[in-house]
Amino acid sequence: AQKVTQAQTEISVVEKEDVTLDCVYETRDTTYYLFWYKQPPSGELVFLIRRNSFDEQNEISGRYSWNFQKSTSSFNFTITASQVVDSAVYFCALSETNAGKSTFGDGTTLTVKP
Amino acid sequence: SAVISQKPSRDICQRGTSLTIQCQVDSQVTMMFWYRQQPGQSLTLIATANQGSEATYESGFVIDKFPISRPNLTFSTLTVSNMSPEDSSIYLCSGWLETQYFGPGTRLLVL
Repeated sequence: AQKVTQAQTEISVVEKEDVTLDCVYETRDTTYYLFWYKQPPSGELVFLIRRNSFDEQNEISGRYSWNFQKSTSSFNFTITASQVVDSAVYFCALSETNAGKSTFGDGTTLTVKP
Repeated sequence: SAVISQKPSRDICQRGTSLTIQCQVDSQVTMMFWYRQQPGQSLTLIATANQGSEATYESGFVIDKFPISRPNLTFSTLTVSNMSPEDSSIYLCSGWLETQYFGPGTRLLVL
């Protein structure tokens, strides 16, 4: 069975601080996808990134960066110079390749204070 | 890519009634799914909507409570039957086309 663990339930930072959201996953599949989503108070899921299990290259997109380490089954997400607009619930998810059934972590609520 | 729309976006219903949620995708996705997000919780997969056949339900979800239809590759419905306040949730439709796409969700409040 697949499992995604986001150990940090809530994180509070002050604007401009860097923050890392942790994600650890379990799967027996050798091929899978990992996702990060943002859910602002409006409730809509905003796609942030998808990573294929064969691609361990880290990625940077503006203030966002992702560190995928297969050896530790982790897919951590870092926001650099956080902003108040980053306040949201962030979900890490694991999906079977070509199947689309995703298992979500419990989410991390990030609060960025001015 | 795929864009998913859902109707209604929100509703307030009385206990004991049923609500049907519609999901429309602008592309022919290979897979469609329905998720539930209870207040303050994460997303939980309800079922896989199979085209032209019965949906495949996850543990804890049954067809009598959550009947699902998928008549073609771009449309699916989820019915929440005989509702109780515990069914108050956001219901999200999802489609898979090389990656996963989510609809905006249907916010349901059952009184």
